[in-house]
Amino acid sequence: DAGVIQSPRHEVTEMGQEVTLRCKPISGHDYLFWYRQTMMRGLELLIYFNNNVPIDDSGMPEDRFSAKMPNASFSTLKIQPSEPRDSAVYFCASSLVLGGRGAFFGQGTRLTVV
Amino acid sequence: KNEVEQSPQNLTAQEGEFITINCSYSVGISALHWLQQHPGGGIVSLFMLSSGKKKHGRLIATINIQEKHSSLHITASHPRDSAVYICAGPPTNSGGSNYKLTFGKGTLLTVNP
Repeated sequence: DAGVIQSPRHEVTEMGQEVTLRCKPISGHDYLFWYRQTMMRGLELLIYFNNNVPIDDSGMPEDRFSAKMPNASFSTLKIQPSEPRDSAVYFCASSLVLGGRGAFFGQGTRLTVV
Repeated sequence: KNEVEQSPQNLTAQEGEFITINCSYSVGISALHWLQQHPGGGIVSLFMLSSGKKKHGRLIATINIQEKHSSLHITASHPRDSAVYICAGPPTNSGGSNYKLTFGKGTLLTVNP
């Protein structure tokens, strides 16, 4: 398996624009997580899905953020409208079950909002 | 105050040395994660443990739930172990979820040849 695949790897956009980050989890994994990493706050869990259903979105910072998982092999994280403070690295991760060594992370998307 | 505290923040070692990174948490947790983030930014999940000890190659993780403390040890360290090591645990208000994680700030490890 190629692992968790995120796209794009880098995104630069202007303030106010819509940004869509994409994630393909490892096939067969039941859990999918979206994390955000910044220098100030470190890693934060934004939302996670189980069997394509959002379980906990309490980490989503505000209504400008939304995440979907239309099927088991694809998820999106959308920011509309984007703001400079959204600049961060966004990681997607997937896991087969709760336990084991934990989740497998994608390479991340570095988002810069100017 | 961060619920998960790591020490040291930075650690420099010579190749071959035994490394210990500590993690303390202020609230009860059911499981703790150790992650490794390489200079390129990629994150690898190393361990998830709820008791005792786990070993994977030269990496050993221990946890004492009662003392709210975990350690990550690296034996015979190598320059390729240079990375940021992050511990994380779910806060007690996570509703039992092992994946609503609170992350430590990380320990930057540099192993010199």
